[in-house]
Amino acid sequence: EPEVTQTPSHQVTQMGQEVILRCVPISNHLYFYWYRQILGQKVEFLVSFYNNEISEKSEIFDDQFSVERPDGSNFTLKIRSTKLEDSAMYFCASRLADRGPGYTFGSGTRLTVV
Amino acid sequence: KQEVTQIPAALSVPEGENLVLNCSFTDSAIYNLQWFRQDPGKGLTSLLLIQSSQREQTSGRLNASLDKSSGRSTLYIAASQPGDSATYLCAVPNSGGSNYKLTFGKGTLLTVNP
Repeated sequence: EPEVTQTPSHQVTQMGQEVILRCVPISNHLYFYWYRQILGQKVEFLVSFYNNEISEKSEIFDDQFSVERPDGSNFTLKIRSTKLEDSAMYFCASRLADRGPGYTFGSGTRLTVV
Repeated sequence: KQEVTQIPAALSVPEGENLVLNCSFTDSAIYNLQWFRQDPGKGLTSLLLIQSSQREQTSGRLNASLDKSSGRSTLYIAASQPGDSATYLCAVPNSGGSNYKLTFGKGTLLTVNP
């Protein structure tokens, strides 16, 4: 069964450093997402991406965050200057088409900011 | 704004019991509802996707029902096993727009005791 692949599985970074979280969505999917889950809290939406542009972003997704699909296969989330409160599990997800099909999530990247 | 509530927050049962997990949502104008399983510190595994036109979906020992009008879904697990121990999350997409972001419940932490 096709999978969404995320790397790395765990990243530790110092406060103020830039991090890039990488994802390879399912190849024929058209809609791409990042979600995050702070320890003990709900999974929450960060950003959706379709047709090579952001279609919606949450209030969490401020100027420190950016997403890219640089080569048609990878989908990246960049945090420019990490804060302690960015520590969370970050999930990439993709969907085939609008409305009907469900989500396929990756296994996540645990980001620890120290 | 869509809100998703899951009851109970935690459930502990002996092996072999049948059990029901509950999910309620405030905005009934949904396209579908998806149940996920999350093992500790891991990603989200899709269990069942119910379209808004369906009343239930089955996969093995799992059966999910959907009552859109009352804003409720249940996940029924038959003959529970210790390997079923995990957090179970339900999620619904927003009703407006095409970006289709998911709103998650906080989950039910299930422990099945041998």
